[in-house]
Amino acid sequence: EVQLVESGGGLVQPGGSLKLSCAASGFTLSGSGISWVRQSSGKGLEWVGRIRNKANSYATAYAASVTGRFTLSRDDSQNTAYLQMNSLKTEDTAIYYCSSYNYASGSFHYWGQGTLVTVSS
Amino acid sequence: DIVMTQSPLSLPVTPGEPASISCRSSQSLLHSNGNTYLNWYLQKPGQSPQVLIYLGSNRASGVPDRFSGSGSGTDFRLKISRVEAEDVGVYYCMQGLQTPFTFGQGTRLEIK
Repeated sequence: EVQLVESGGGLVQPGGSLKLSCAASGFTLSGSGISWVRQSSGKGLEWVGRIRNKANSYATAYAASVTGRFTLSRDDSQNTAYLQMNSLKTEDTAIYYCSSYNYASGSFHYWGQGTLVTVSS
Repeated sequence: DIVMTQSPLSLPVTPGEPASISCRSSQSLLHSNGNTYLNWYLQKPGQSPQVLIYLGSNRASGVPDRFSGSGSGTDFRLKISRVEAEDVGVYYCMQGLQTPFTFGQGTRLEIK
């Protein structure tokens, strides 16, 4: 069964850091791009950033709201991607989803179940 | 950034009746490679989003054929030929032409 499983969410104080993981099973992550998408309570979907695959030089891109604070990385040998979040703000509170990008279809093909990040004092 | 605008934002539908959602982008989603990078996603209550339509008009694997996507350039539409109870949720269009990728506000489909 194909799965993406996020972990690492939790409660953190403003200004703190958190590192999310996205582990793939049932398929090889190395051929895919990975995006992170977040959703605040009762709100819509917001793209956070993406990291391309090795063939595309692992290039990264970020939403303006997280540039300079969030960093994407991946370890294809572990079939896992990561989102390092620093200088967290209350407005970063959301469910964070990872998704695999299929280059042929140009779409987010697989999605994880999401992990909740709460930034609060 | 490319702005995605959906309408309506709320869509009450009687089972068996058709439904349609419009999505407009602030600039053309046609890439130089000939592909149009417009996707439709459905987020059912309590679930993660799932892809319905990719590259404007292609149904993703396992998506019922009552769902269809159309459009080009900046104007797109998702149609459901006969709504079923399991179609309840929030529908999002998303442009994948350039980063930052952007979503529409979402259209909440509910059963009358």
